[in-house]
Amino acid sequence: GNSVTQMEGPVTLSEEAFLTINCTYTATGYPSLFWYVQYPGEGLQLLLKATKADDKGSNKGFEATYRKETTSFHLEKGSVQVSDSAVYFCALRSNDYKLSFGAGTTVTVRA
Amino acid sequence: SAVISQKPSRDICQRGTSLTIQCQVDSQVTMMFWYRQQPGQSLTLIATANQGSEATYESGFVIDKFPISRPNLTFSTLTVSNMSPEDSSIYLCSVGLNTENTEAFFGQGTRLTVV
Repeated sequence: GNSVTQMEGPVTLSEEAFLTINCTYTATGYPSLFWYVQYPGEGLQLLLKATKADDKGSNKGFEATYRKETTSFHLEKGSVQVSDSAVYFCALRSNDYKLSFGAGTTVTVRA
Repeated sequence: SAVISQKPSRDICQRGTSLTIQCQVDSQVTMMFWYRQQPGQSLTLIATANQGSEATYESGFVIDKFPISRPNLTFSTLTVSNMSPEDSSIYLCSVGLNTENTEAFFGQGTRLTVV
């Protein structure tokens, strides 16, 4: 079946540091890939997505590239801010439209 | 996009009772799903809510424990039956607009505590 393996946290960074959260997946067919973010006390929001190989999703300074050869979708941001403190979930959507989520990575950015 | 309203936003319930969670969408949607997020954990799909027919449950979830209704294309309910403390979780409604759009939208969630 489908699965998502995500780098476990927690991750603590200083402001302006570089952030990478690794995500790899196992799926049949050609899934769409997503990063969702959950800010403290809030619901789940879509951060970015990629629907086919070599697509790059980007939003709010975050980027992730759909790498079919390595079955990866790593999230990166060049310079984090305190407001980026949140839980980040990697997810894939298969042809049956169901989402499979990674375990989530808690990121804390210190001023 | 879609705006999803979930009610209640939180509740504290006695064990052995049941709670029904409502999910209302501001537009007709093809797909509706219910997820559970246990404390400190990721999201797990409970079931797909099918309009006009019985929901499709994932492994480990059964209709007697989590009955679901979906009377139309904008509304669904999830009931957590005969609750125990292990049911304390956030329950989230999710929708997909149509088969052409890959994005899924989530409600704010219902934070359930069973005492």
